[in-house]
Amino acid sequence: GIQVEQSPPDLILQEGANSTLRCNFSDSVNNLQWFHQNPWGQLINLFYIPSGTKQNGRLSATTVATERYSLLYISSSQTTDSGVYFCAVAGRGSTLGRLYFGRGTQLTVWS
Amino acid sequence: NAGVTQTPKFQVLKTGQSMTLQCAQDMNHNSMYWYRQDPGMGLRLIYYSASEGTTDKGEVPNGYNVSRLNKREFSLRLESAAPSQTSVYFCASSGKWGTGSQETQYFGPGTRLLVL
Repeated sequence: GIQVEQSPPDLILQEGANSTLRCNFSDSVNNLQWFHQNPWGQLINLFYIPSGTKQNGRLSATTVATERYSLLYISSSQTTDSGVYFCAVAGRGSTLGRLYFGRGTQLTVWS
Repeated sequence: NAGVTQTPKFQVLKTGQSMTLQCAQDMNHNSMYWYRQDPGMGLRLIYYSASEGTTDKGEVPNGYNVSRLNKREFSLRLESAAPSQTSVYFCASSGKWGTGSQETQYFGPGTRLLVL
């Protein structure tokens, strides 16, 4: 299957700081999603972004499909942003829903 | 609109026991999925159902069976539980046609399973 690598594995920020999370993938994709898993384990989808740029409040994401990476930007971080951020992709030619997940970035925001 | 619901939330089994994890969605989605999440890992796909009446294996199907009971419900069965199946199990669904992001997956709250 397609390989997904996320960096950094861990990130510790003071409230108000900005951060960039990266997702590299090994093949062309037709589906890419970013998820946030909160400290209670709930998975929340942030973006569906196989290409291009999207913004939602303090979060934005950019996928450069030709170069096989995606970036998630978090601005003015808050303690509620803490948790694990996952990137998940589906390769071209595969069933769109067959997502492969990276190992995630563990984000801790302290006040 | 409850989204994706899973039962039970927690379960402890002894090796060799069987159980069924239940999942239901009320978003009229076509596709449903079962994942497992182990410590320090991302989610891995166990089985999926692209549409009512079809099921297919994912990355880690061994030791599991599934049933797509109808469009709303997708169950995961462990016939003879093993300690290696201790994990958190997530159900997801997708396929809300006409929204422009029909492949976005929505997840249930998870079932925490411990096999002794």
